[in-house]
Amino acid sequence: DIQMTQSPSSLSASVGDTVTITCRASQNIVNYLNWYQQKPGKAPNLLICDASNLQFGVPSRFSGSGSGTDFSLTISTLQPEDFATYYCQQSYSTPQYTFGQGTKLEIK
Amino acid sequence: EVVLVESGGGLLQPGGSLRLSCAASGFTFSGFEMNWVRQAPGKGLEWISYISGSGYTKTYAESVKGRFTVSRDNAKNSLYLQMNSLRAEDTAVYFCARDLGIGRGWFDSWGLGTQVTVSS
Repeated sequence: DIQMTQSPSSLSASVGDTVTITCRASQNIVNYLNWYQQKPGKAPNLLICDASNLQFGVPSRFSGSGSGTDFSLTISTLQPEDFATYYCQQSYSTPQYTFGQGTKLEIK
Repeated sequence: EVVLVESGGGLLQPGGSLRLSCAASGFTFSGFEMNWVRQAPGKGLEWISYISGSGYTKTYAESVKGRFTVSRDNAKNSLYLQMNSLRAEDTAVYFCARDLGIGRGWFDSWGLGTQVTVSS
């Protein structure tokens, strides 16, 4: 099974900051890596597909990069609504999938 | 508008069974692969099951294989998860999720979830 490891597990930042969350796969997954945002009590929301493709309607301050085993999600100029938990998900081993353990982004 | 609504959750004892449903609307249900994802209290997301649009192909996470069965009724625009031999560690909110990307794992639409609690 492919394991996904996110870092950090939690992160404190201020409105206007730029933050980066990383996700590492236990094997090469090419670019089959997706990112989700989840707010408390809500369902997850798909942000980025295939490492770097922004979903329709997602603000351009979100960006993704990486390939192989190492990936990152960058949020530029943090807005109050961006404070949430973020998950990476590999889809290389489709149709079996794995999520990372999540990164909680909190307001400093 | 795509809408997914889960139902069937509840409180039950270890060893019990439960059948979850997910009612879909706003899209051609048979044309999309579907998944179940769960989230234990205070924990992260765990993918547990996939089913192809036709219902022919099904996959499961190791944690539920042999105990859970996914199915769908395209005539009723519904997805199901039959859960048997339930354990305390199956306690979670269960979400159904649509795969936008034809097997690409792009879970673009989710329901609000249904709570399953397994406790004696």
